[in-house]
Amino acid sequence: TQLLEQSPQFLSIQEGENLTVYCNSSSVFSSLQWYRQEPGEGPVLLVTVVTGGEVKKLKRLTFQFGDARKDSSLHITAAQPGDTGLYLCAGSVEDKLVFGAGTILRVKS
Amino acid sequence: DVKVTQSSRYLVKRTGEKVFLECVQDMDHENMFWYRQDPGLGLRLIYFSYDVKMKEKGDIPEGYSVSREKKERFSLILESASTNQTSMYLCASSFRVVFSEQFFGPGTRLTVL
Repeated sequence: TQLLEQSPQFLSIQEGENLTVYCNSSSVFSSLQWYRQEPGEGPVLLVTVVTGGEVKKLKRLTFQFGDARKDSSLHITAAQPGDTGLYLCAGSVEDKLVFGAGTILRVKS
Repeated sequence: DVKVTQSSRYLVKRTGEKVFLECVQDMDHENMFWYRQDPGLGLRLIYFSYDVKMKEKGDIPEGYSVSREKKERFSLILESASTNQTSMYLCASSFRVVFSEQFFGPGTRLTVL
């Protein structure tokens, strides 16, 4: 059973479009992280959110942590081909990180 | 530039072989982790270590063991490789166990025939 459900699993869009990916759970997390993984590489941290309701912006990427700290979203504005990759969310549970299965994003030029 | 390196990018082994996957980090991190990554399942924690000679089981430790003799090095051992251990193996390290960025190596794609 996946503790963290990510949706959609796959997303293929045109350059310039906006998109949102979701990370949902029935569990409460003390913090939540988003990572991006490119083919042949390990995941790289994009952001950590800690407070319920928190919103963080990283250029064209906006991250939100749900008020109850059970869910999160990642919104990308005006997607570019360089945004292509696997986006993973990971929640802190006790002394471990639990990862979702990820959303594969492909941005076509 | 911080770095986590893994000994091999690709590895092909036969069923029953003993397999060693090595990971080295240069950031003086206390904590190191081994994950396997499979399509549709995300990253699953195999073992982690928060100090030299210390190890803790993750979610899927069966069929694996680990060794941490030096702070910078964390090894994953498959005592007798099986085909269901074909996967991508990722090593990571972090400064703290929680609320802390994990730095990942590039991964080892292991195929067991």
